[in-house]
Amino acid sequence: AQRVTQPEKLLSVFKGAPVELKCNYSYSGSPELFWYVQYSRQRLQLLLRHISRESIKGFTADLNKGETSFHLKKPFAQEEDSAMYYCALSGQTGANNLFFGTGTRLTVIP
Amino acid sequence: DVKVTQSSRYLVKRTGEKVFLECVQDMDHENMFWYRQDPGLGLRLIYFSYDVKMKEKGDIPEGYSVSREKKERFSLILESASTNQTSMYLCASSLTGVNEKLFFGSGTQLSVL
Repeated sequence: AQRVTQPEKLLSVFKGAPVELKCNYSYSGSPELFWYVQYSRQRLQLLLRHISRESIKGFTADLNKGETSFHLKKPFAQEEDSAMYYCALSGQTGANNLFFGTGTRLTVIP
Repeated sequence: DVKVTQSSRYLVKRTGEKVFLECVQDMDHENMFWYRQDPGLGLRLIYFSYDVKMKEKGDIPEGYSVSREKKERFSLILESASTNQTSMYLCASSLTGVNEKLFFGSGTQLSVL
């Protein structure tokens, strides 16, 4: 069965410090992985997906199949990065369910 | 940009009432979804629809039904609301499925008293 684990409910870092939001997954096949973000009083929106291998707002995430992880990283946190972050997994092309983790609330301290 | 509109931001209902949550998208997307968002549980899929009049159960369909009579509109129905259905409900749409970007509505916070 698919499962996404985000071990940290809350994470606080100082502005300018590196940040890493952890995500581990369980899936027997080849996963599609995503990070979604919800800023205060805004809609949930896609931040990035592993298949695109892109950097959005300075964030990157690398899929590590050996460790079944998809951690989100940014070298220098900014105050505007404070938000709720959800890691999500889709099992396969054409799948219709996105399995979300429980989320990590990131607070960047000025 | 895609707009997904949920008709109510806040709703307060009584136990046993029939509740309708409406969602409309304006970009001709094939797929629409209803999630509920609970603290500590993340988002869980209730139902999705991949075409007009087509629907599939998600992970937690019990106590809910859906209707998709037109492509742009996807309704979530609580036949007899219960207190454990108090939650934030999120509607989303996508062009071809969950591996494409999901566009979310702003959510409906439902309180069942």
